[in-house]
Amino acid sequence: DAGVIQSPRHEVTEMGQEVTLRCKPISGHDYLFWYRQTMMRGLELLIYFNNNVPIDDSGMPEDRFSAKMPNASFSTLKIQPSEPRDSAVYFCASSLWTGATNTGELFFGEGSRLTVL
Amino acid sequence: AQSVAQPEDQVNVAEGNPLTVKCTYSVSGNPYLFWYVQYPNRGLQFLLKYITGDNLVKGSYGFEAEFNKSQTSFHLKKPSALVSDSALYFCAVGSGNTGKLIFGQGTTLQVKP
Repeated sequence: DAGVIQSPRHEVTEMGQEVTLRCKPISGHDYLFWYRQTMMRGLELLIYFNNNVPIDDSGMPEDRFSAKMPNASFSTLKIQPSEPRDSAVYFCASSLWTGATNTGELFFGEGSRLTVL
Repeated sequence: AQSVAQPEDQVNVAEGNPLTVKCTYSVSGNPYLFWYVQYPNRGLQFLLKYITGDNLVKGSYGFEAEFNKSQTSFHLKKPSALVSDSALYFCAVGSGNTGKLIFGQGTTLQVKP
């Protein structure tokens, strides 16, 4: 399998612009996660989906952030409008959990490095 | 609520010496514990996990971790460090029947020749 695929790998944009980050999870995985990594705050869970349904979005910073998962093989994280403080590396990860006693590890993509000027 | 703490921002060891990276956790119910490693400009890679069973878990690249329920700890260890082990290490905890993992702040491991 190709692993979790994220695009773009790097994005530089100006404040106020819309940013869309994309993720293709590993085929067959039933959970998808969006994390954000910064030096100051470490690795933060933004939102996660189970079988394409958002389960917990309490980590989404504010209304400027939104995430969708229209099908099992694709998810997007959108920031509109973007601000300089959104500059970070955004990771997508997927996993397969088959039950309480057979939990799966997260497989991470390579990340999307966002710089908002 | 789940939480995990990595008390050391950085650990320095000499090549060939044993290494320990510390992790403590807080969770309701039985914990699912994980260690991940991150190399520069890369995503996190899975090292090992504890779900149930033997308290000593063996993982990739010669790493192991010991689950200690009374101390709520899950320290990462390796008997003999390599320079190539230098990286950022994350401990993570999950619980219940969800896939949600909470990560610690990370510990930078520096192995010097």
